Amino acid sequence: DAGVIQSPRHEVTEMGQEVTLRCKPISGHDYLFWYRQTMMRGLELLIYFNNNVPIDDSGMPEDRFSAKMPNASFSTLKIQPSEPRDSAVYFCASSPGTAGMGNQPQHFGDGTRLSIL
Amino acid sequence: AQSVTQLDSHVSVSEGTPVLLRCNYSSSYSPSLFWYVQHPNKGLQLLLKYTSAATLVKGINGFEAEFKKSETSFHLTKPSAHMSDAAEYFCVVKAGNTGKLIFGQGTTLQVKP
Repeated sequence: DAGVIQSPRHEVTEMGQEVTLRCKPISGHDYLFWYRQTMMRGLELLIYFNNNVPIDDSGMPEDRFSAKMPNASFSTLKIQPSEPRDSAVYFCASSPGTAGMGNQPQHFGDGTRLSIL
Repeated sequence: AQSVTQLDSHVSVSEGTPVLLRCNYSSSYSPSLFWYVQHPNKGLQLLLKYTSAATLVKGINGFEAEFKKSETSFHLTKPSAHMSDAAEYFCVVKAGNTGKLIFGQGTTLQVKP
């Protein structure tokens, strides 16, 4: 079975440019999560969706960050304009489950390593 | 509020010797606890999960963890380390009935030949 698929795997761009990260969750999963991982702050939850609807975006660091989930099989995380401090590994994860989440684990993609010069 | 504390940032063992990665949790009610492993340049992979069915939980690759409520611990063990076990390990608690996972800071496991 295909897991969570993220693209691109690596992105290097200059400060000020728009960056779009993409995620395809596991088919049938109701929940989708975006995380950021850095050495200093570890893993941080940015936002998560349930049935394509954003539920909690309190982890989104600034208005420069936005996320969408136009359908059950696709989500994007956009940074505009990008800054060097946005350099990190961004992970997408998905999870099955009904309302309340139950105890279903999250399945992670391999991440996008983002470098802003 | 739930939280997890991984007591060691780095653990080094020799191949073939036991592994112990320590995790304490804080939760106001019966928690859902997980261990994830992250190999270099990869995403996180679920090792095992505790969901109150049994206090000793067996996971993949020979790992297991024991939930001890009296000690608020969920330590990860393996009888015999392999070189392929070298990775970052995260202890994780689920935040109530929300979708959120709360991650520990991670423990780097080094396995020496």
